[in-house]
Amino acid sequence: DVKVTQSSRYLVKRTGEKVFLECVQDMDHENMFWYRQDPGLGLRLIYFSYDVKMKEKGDIPEGYSVSREKKERFSLILESASTNQTSMYLCASRFSGLGGNTIYFGEGSWLTVV
Amino acid sequence: GENVEQHPSTLSVQEGDSAVIKCTYSDSASNYFPWYKQELGKRPQLIIDIRSNVGEKKDQRIAVTLNKTAKHFSLHITETQPEDSAVYFCAAMKEGSQGNLIFGKGTKLSVKP
Repeated sequence: DVKVTQSSRYLVKRTGEKVFLECVQDMDHENMFWYRQDPGLGLRLIYFSYDVKMKEKGDIPEGYSVSREKKERFSLILESASTNQTSMYLCASRFSGLGGNTIYFGEGSWLTVV
Repeated sequence: GENVEQHPSTLSVQEGDSAVIKCTYSDSASNYFPWYKQELGKRPQLIIDIRSNVGEKKDQRIAVTLNKTAKHFSLHITETQPEDSAVYFCAAMKEGSQGNLIFGKGTKLSVKP
């Protein structure tokens, strides 16, 4: 089974803090994603990465950056956390080859910014 | 770009009844349509998907139908059970591209015993 692991399930941070959300997948997937999930807004794509050191903006990249130094790890960075970034963050990965449509999600990281 | 609309946002049914969730998409090039189920506090997981060369696909109590002309697809759950209670997301994508899944906003299904 594909395993996507998010290192922190619950975090509370102060406004202005730098926040790192880490994600690791064990299936050698090329594609990795960070989504934000808010009630009534569904799953919105923040950033994605096709491969190591590659990144592309999603629908809501403002206030976020990402890092993909190794294939298995994709990090989401909030340079200066704000209260409107309180949300649930989901990491996901996907095989990029033929038939690789299924996205596998991590368990999610609940971030509260106070 | 692609836009996916999902209805209803909430759905309550009695155990044993059927539930139908509908989605529409805007990009006629989209050809892959998955459905994800997210139970409370858990990760979304793929439950069924359909490609544009197929009009219907069934897996036990779950079925998905696709109308390419109208650009809409639906999830049908028959003989609902309390464990079907969850948030369901539809999505659309152009398969084979480096494109991404575009998700609907989700439907919260409650199955009352």
